Amino acid sequence: QQNVQQSPESLIVPEGARTSLNCTFSDSASQYFWWYRQHSGKAPKALMSIFSNGEKEEGRFTIHLNKASLHFSLHIRDSQPSDSALYLCAVSRDYAQGLTFGLGTRVSVFP
Amino acid sequence: GPKVLQIPSHQIIDMGQMVTLNCDPVSNHLYFYWYKQILGQQMEFLVNFYNGKVMEKSKLFKDQFSVERPDGSYFTLKIQPTALEDSAVYFCASSLARDYEQYFGPGTRLTVL
Repeated sequence: QQNVQQSPESLIVPEGARTSLNCTFSDSASQYFWWYRQHSGKAPKALMSIFSNGEKEEGRFTIHLNKASLHFSLHIRDSQPSDSALYLCAVSRDYAQGLTFGLGTRVSVFP
Repeated sequence: GPKVLQIPSHQIIDMGQMVTLNCDPVSNHLYFYWYKQILGQQMEFLVNFYNGKVMEKSKLFKDQFSVERPDGSYFTLKIQPTALEDSAVYFCASSLARDYEQYFGPGTRLTVL
């Protein structure tokens, strides 16, 4: 059974700093890797996804995936107060399959 | 962007009663999902649904659970009868196709007394 762990549990960063979040998974057959962001009381919303080893950048956000290490990460450049939220990583074997989520990392960006 | 709505936002019922949670998915989406999150724990997959059928379900999807989407309206999760351990936030999600992201609703908080 898939086990997804996130670190750290929480993070406080100053505006403009780089934020790095980590996610490890246990099932080496996993194929799809997602980061979701959830503001308080709102629906989780997909931020980015990656499906092959390497790096993918979209604006201030970058995902790294290393399948051999069973690890992927999210990096936020020039963090903004609006980035303050709960960040959830999620993994699946197949696109239409259910996602296995981590517990989340709570990020607070202060001005 | 596209939104998934969930009705009601909160529901309190007595153990043993039936409850139906409603989800209004994004209009042209074809795949539908339910997830369960107990307080302090991660969100866990319950079931997914496509073309009128359950495609995959987890061990959390007990015999007392059922899902349907009659006539393309709400996608519903019915629990009959409810148990104390069913107290949780239930999230609905939908996706356009197998290679598209899942859009989540804000959740329904279910309290079973």
